Amino acid sequence: DAGITQSPRYKITETGRQVTLMCHQTWSHSYMFWYRQDLGHGLRLIYYSAAADITDKGEVSDGYVVSRSKTENFPLTLESATRSQTSVYFCASSESRVIGGDTDTQYFGPGTRLTVL
Amino acid sequence: GIQVEQSPPDLILQEGANSTLRCNFSDSVNNLQWFHQNPWGQLINLFYIPSGTKQNGRLSATTVATERYSLLYISSSQTTDSGVYFCAVFGNAGNMLTFGGGTRLMVKP
Repeated sequence: DAGITQSPRYKITETGRQVTLMCHQTWSHSYMFWYRQDLGHGLRLIYYSAAADITDKGEVSDGYVVSRSKTENFPLTLESATRSQTSVYFCASSESRVIGGDTDTQYFGPGTRLTVL
Repeated sequence: GIQVEQSPPDLILQEGANSTLRCNFSDSVNNLQWFHQNPWGQLINLFYIPSGTKQNGRLSATTVATERYSLLYISSSQTTDSGVYFCAVFGNAGNMLTFGGGTRLMVKP
């Protein structure tokens, strides 16, 4: 049971380049999320998706693009990377968004450490 | 948006000691989770606990929703408990899981 995986685990790129971070889950969870973790800011939501072809912005979505053509995949693209996007990126998933139910629990991938030079 | 504050920010324990971590939130919530981020960066679910009390081995958690706080208890701490503990909540009006700033725990042998 692979759960939720992210690739690559480490990435170094240059300012202005396009970068795509991959996220794959094997649970058939409806909801998927992208967060970034920075010192002094904790974890902040970038984008989330309630189902295939349904996405919505989070707290810090500027400069990022997502897509979800298949339930199991949720790639995050930095269209033109900037140094301020140097961070650790976490993907997460949850079974559903039933208010007050355990299926709301989010499970996190191992993270991708991205450095933009 | 909802504010989440955790205390203490840092905690150093001797192996075998007990500890209590606190999470205060500013509004009603319908989801509260506790996570442990280990020294390798992995975020591990500990509890889903929007209200009530749960126990899992040496760890237990209590959320008093009416008073807007949650507590995580660690008993007989071990060095493997070291890392950062996060509380995260969904407010009733939102779709975002908002994280607290975390409590950094170091357990010394």
